[in-house]
Amino acid sequence: AQSVTQPDIHITVSEGASLELRCNYSYGATPYLFWYVQSPGQGLQLLLKYFSGDTLVQGIKGFEAEFKRSQSSFNLRKPSVHWSDAAEYFCAVGGGSQGNLIFGKGTKLSVKP
Amino acid sequence: DTEVTQTPKHLVMGMTNKKSLKCEQHMGHRAMYWYKQKAKKPPELMFVYSYEKLSINESVPSRFSPECPNSSLLNLHLHALQPEDSALYLCASSQKAVLTDTQYFGPGTRLTVL
Repeated sequence: AQSVTQPDIHITVSEGASLELRCNYSYGATPYLFWYVQSPGQGLQLLLKYFSGDTLVQGIKGFEAEFKRSQSSFNLRKPSVHWSDAAEYFCAVGGGSQGNLIFGKGTKLSVKP
Repeated sequence: DTEVTQTPKHLVMGMTNKKSLKCEQHMGHRAMYWYKQKAKKPPELMFVYSYEKLSINESVPSRFSPECPNSSLLNLHLHALQPEDSALYLCASSQKAVLTDTQYFGPGTRLTVL
């Protein structure tokens, strides 16, 4: 069965520091992978997605993610975090027969001034 | 325009009430979704509509009744809910109900059942 694991429940980084959020997936075929961000009480905003091609994917707000098939990973990175990046981050795989998303449990990002 | 709108933003209802949540998109998408999100949890799929037909019902209790009157509109009718149904209800849409299509989410309706 398809699944997504985000090993870190909560991460705190200092403003200006680099960030890496981990995501591992389990999927039998070529995965379609997504990162979404959710600010408190808000809906989900797509940061980036990977379907095929270049394994380094650029997204909005300065985020990027790298697909590594050998490690079944799709980690999200940002070179310099801003206070406004504090939010919940969800990794997801398009795994259902009707295109539904399977989400990881999320990683909460806190940013220290 | 990549906007999905949801109304109301907040809803408080008693266990005997009947209420409806509304979702709208004007992107020409033919797949629409309802997700339920409890506090500090990821969204969980409830229903998928594809070309205005219900294609997935993830074993959701009958007190939740979805409706897709046209390709732009998705409703969720609520009746005799329980306090444990309190959650953020998210609507999403995509061009089609396939793995490669990006889902665009609305801001959600925060539901509290007393």
